[in-house]
Amino acid sequence: DGGITQSPKYLFRKEGQNVTLSCEQNLNHDAMYWYRQDPGQGLRLIYYSQIVNDFQKGDIAEGYSVSREKKESFPLTVTSAQKNPTAFYLCASRGGSRATLKTRNTEAFFGQGTRLTVV
Amino acid sequence: KQEVTQIPAALSVPEGENLVLNCSFTDSAIYNLQWFRQDPGKGLTSLLLIQSSQREQTSGRLNASLDKSSGRSTLYIAASQPGDSATYLCAPGQGGSEKLVFGKGTKLTVNP
Repeated sequence: DGGITQSPKYLFRKEGQNVTLSCEQNLNHDAMYWYRQDPGQGLRLIYYSQIVNDFQKGDIAEGYSVSREKKESFPLTVTSAQKNPTAFYLCASRGGSRATLKTRNTEAFFGQGTRLTVV
Repeated sequence: KQEVTQIPAALSVPEGENLVLNCSFTDSAIYNLQWFRQDPGKGLTSLLLIQSSQREQTSGRLNASLDKSSGRSTLYIAASQPGDSATYLCAPGQGGSEKLVFGKGTKLTVNP
């Protein structure tokens, strides 16, 4: 089946640890996104990437890092600098190409999320 | 900066009722608008995508409209069912950065 896969579903982090959340898509989409969801706050954009080897900060990038070495993969690392990482993390992708400016007209799809808890 | 507001924040209706969810946005320079539903603890499921050149889009019992100039979209759900209970989110698609900006959603409960 085509789609977006996030793993793991649940993740526990100790204080001071870095953890990496996985996001893989087989939709051949160029653009990928990471959002954080907290109760009562809606979805907030952490990072996004419109093409391989390129990414931009979203609204709440501090304490997070990403890479985009392959079109299919957009892992998110939650570093020890992120002081309040407990949240639900969602990955999304959208088709098209930055070069052809078609991404804006296409439908976005989401993974099932990773719930991160600090212990 | 795009701001998205969804009203009401929560809605409870009896089964079979027709209902309307509202979405307003401050920056009308959008390319499309997408409606999603989210079940508790799950990811977002795409319901409808309306391009800026369209005024309506329909899928089954769902009908979404878009008035780009006034910064408004509505999602109409006909003959609601308990399985429609979820949080509904709208997201205008911006040009340029191509970010999706979300409202906080409307939590819908359909009572049997």
